Amino acid sequence: DTAVSQTPKYLVTQMGNDKSIKCEQNLGHDTMYWYKQDSKKFLKIMFSYNNKELIINETVPNRFSPKSPDKAHLNLHINSLELGDSAVYFCASSPAGGPLPDTQYFGPGTRLLVL
Amino acid sequence: GDSVTQMEGPVTLSEEAFLTINCTYTATGYPSLFWYVQYPGEGLQLLLKATKADDKGSNKGFEATYRKETTSFHLEKGSVQVSDSAVYFCALSPYSGGGADGLTFGKGTHLIIQP
Repeated sequence: DTAVSQTPKYLVTQMGNDKSIKCEQNLGHDTMYWYKQDSKKFLKIMFSYNNKELIINETVPNRFSPKSPDKAHLNLHINSLELGDSAVYFCASSPAGGPLPDTQYFGPGTRLLVL
Repeated sequence: GDSVTQMEGPVTLSEEAFLTINCTYTATGYPSLFWYVQYPGEGLQLLLKATKADDKGSNKGFEATYRKETTSFHLEKGSVQVSDSAVYFCALSPYSGGGADGLTFGKGTHLIIQP
């Protein structure tokens, strides 16, 4: 069974469109994350979500919004896509909430290309 | 803010060579430190971690020691194989006493092992 899964794996779309990427984890973790990996492989945190608390990286445009229908899912919605949004987006989860930071488990990534 | 600096690649070695990938960090408090590996076309996998000073993380022949005095977490392996070719990321997670903190990553080191 896949621990953290994402759909779709590839997404090609036009500028100005609205799209969503889905993420599901079957690990029973409390916290989920979204990261963006740019063309130079640099990874940056976008959001983390824990017990209905959303922590946002202040550099993320408000065109990006995470939605969590339940503890096992954290979907990423992107409005008015721009060329610069082209990247690989990774979902991750962890059992965070204890006294020490814990390991994050990553999904396989969604490669987004905006034309 | 927190930051991670690691040697930039690509690093090219022959099979059975000794590997060192340097990683230093800047953080307040007592972060946990991680090495993640990304094989071509795949997501990130945890390679090893250390949660306090002088801890040594090890896995699959790789090891790294948390050095608080030099704020370093260098990755080493005594004899590399072609299958070790991948991008390696050093990362930290701040000690916050709980909550949903994202990982801060270095820029990644592309390792190429030649037969």
